[in-house]
Amino acid sequence: KAGVTQTPRYLIKTRGQQVTLSCSPISGHRSVSWYQQTPGQGLQFLFEYFSETQRNKGNFPGRFSGRQFSNSRSEMNVSTLELGDSALYLCASPTRTGELFFGEGSRLTVL
Amino acid sequence: EDQVTQSPEALRLQEGESSSLNCSYTVSGLRGLFWYRQDPGKGPEFLFTLYSAGEEKEKERLKATLTKKESFLHITAPKPEDSATYLCAVQARDSSYKLIFGSGTRLLVRP
Repeated sequence: KAGVTQTPRYLIKTRGQQVTLSCSPISGHRSVSWYQQTPGQGLQFLFEYFSETQRNKGNFPGRFSGRQFSNSRSEMNVSTLELGDSALYLCASPTRTGELFFGEGSRLTVL
Repeated sequence: EDQVTQSPEALRLQEGESSSLNCSYTVSGLRGLFWYRQDPGKGPEFLFTLYSAGEEKEKERLKATLTKKESFLHITAPKPEDSATYLCAVQARDSSYKLIFGSGTRLLVRP
């Protein structure tokens, strides 16, 4: 199985706080994309980074942001948390043959 | 607007009872159609990518097919361990790795 690593796996925050999630893509690959999964909305695209540049962005408010470092690791940040931000946040990384592999996700609960 | 619709929402099968899951899509130029399996609390597990109408791919008891408007995931003689949510997603030609997901089909295979 491809090695997309996400940390932390679980976290609990309260409304108004901020959170930072981390993703390490498949070794040697420079593209990382982020998705939010909720029971009501399903899987929705947040943004994609390639070589430290945001290449695409989904329809989410500015409280959701991300960045990518020179070693391809990526972080996403959500500021001023709301109850509706409770979700499974997934990171994905493509292989050279175009397959897109997901990590196990970070489960965020906002109280 | 790019859109993916999966049916049925839920499917219950007896072990050994073959069936098909449907994924209908509209996209402004298809680059790839992806199938994933997702177990509760885990990230989606990559199954197949299909690129052009008429293409078919197989893996164990699963076979995916693609037409210009829909894809089918055929499950032959399923086993209880095939129980999961199956997700379909499309990638448009100009969207890098932004996938548009359907809401999934929850499959339960009873022994």
